[in-house]
Amino acid sequence: GAVVSQHPSRVICKSGTSVKIECRSLDFQATTMFWYRQFPKKSLMLMATSNEGSKATYEQGVEKDKFLINHASLTLSTLTVTSAHPEDSSFYICSARDSNRLGNTIYFGEGSWLTVV
Amino acid sequence: KQEVTQIPAALSVPEGENLVLNCSFTDSAIYNLQWFRQDPGKGLTSLLLIQSSQREQTSGRLNASLDKSSGRSTLYIAASQPGDSATYLCAVGGYNTDKLIFGTGTRLQVFP
Repeated sequence: GAVVSQHPSRVICKSGTSVKIECRSLDFQATTMFWYRQFPKKSLMLMATSNEGSKATYEQGVEKDKFLINHASLTLSTLTVTSAHPEDSSFYICSARDSNRLGNTIYFGEGSWLTVV
Repeated sequence: KQEVTQIPAALSVPEGENLVLNCSFTDSAIYNLQWFRQDPGKGLTSLLLIQSSQREQTSGRLNASLDKSSGRSTLYIAASQPGDSATYLCAVGGYNTDKLIFGTGTRLQVFP
């Protein structure tokens, strides 16, 4: 079946540095991917829609200059947390839909834990 | 703005019980509704997807129903097992978008 892979699964970075998280669709093409954020014991909050070959669309309240999204190919989207602070520590998870298949099955990655110290 | 709520927030039951998890949404103009399972610290596993034109979907011991007009969905788990312990999330999808709006989740613990 379709698989979405995220890397790294866990990352610890120092405050003030930037960290990049990758989201890959392994066996299908995805013109659109989604980035979510989840705080402990909370639900998923949509951050932005990543569009292949164009700018990402950010949800209200999400700082686009802090959470840089690049969707350079049909199988890869990256989320870069710039100048990370402890409050950015969270679980980040991406999702993607197979652009070549009908239906609306969306596949999620395994998520990436970010800890900013 | 679509808001999705799940009740109860947490549930602890002995194994063997039949369970009902509830999901409600404020805007009935949904394209579909999905139920997911999330194990601690892990990603999401899709359990059931119900299109707006459907009333229910079944997979093994799981049955999900959808009542669009009242803005509600239920996930029924038959003969619960300790391995069912996880957080269950419902999410609604709108028309012409792949965005999902997630519910608040129900943390389920099934003890032996």
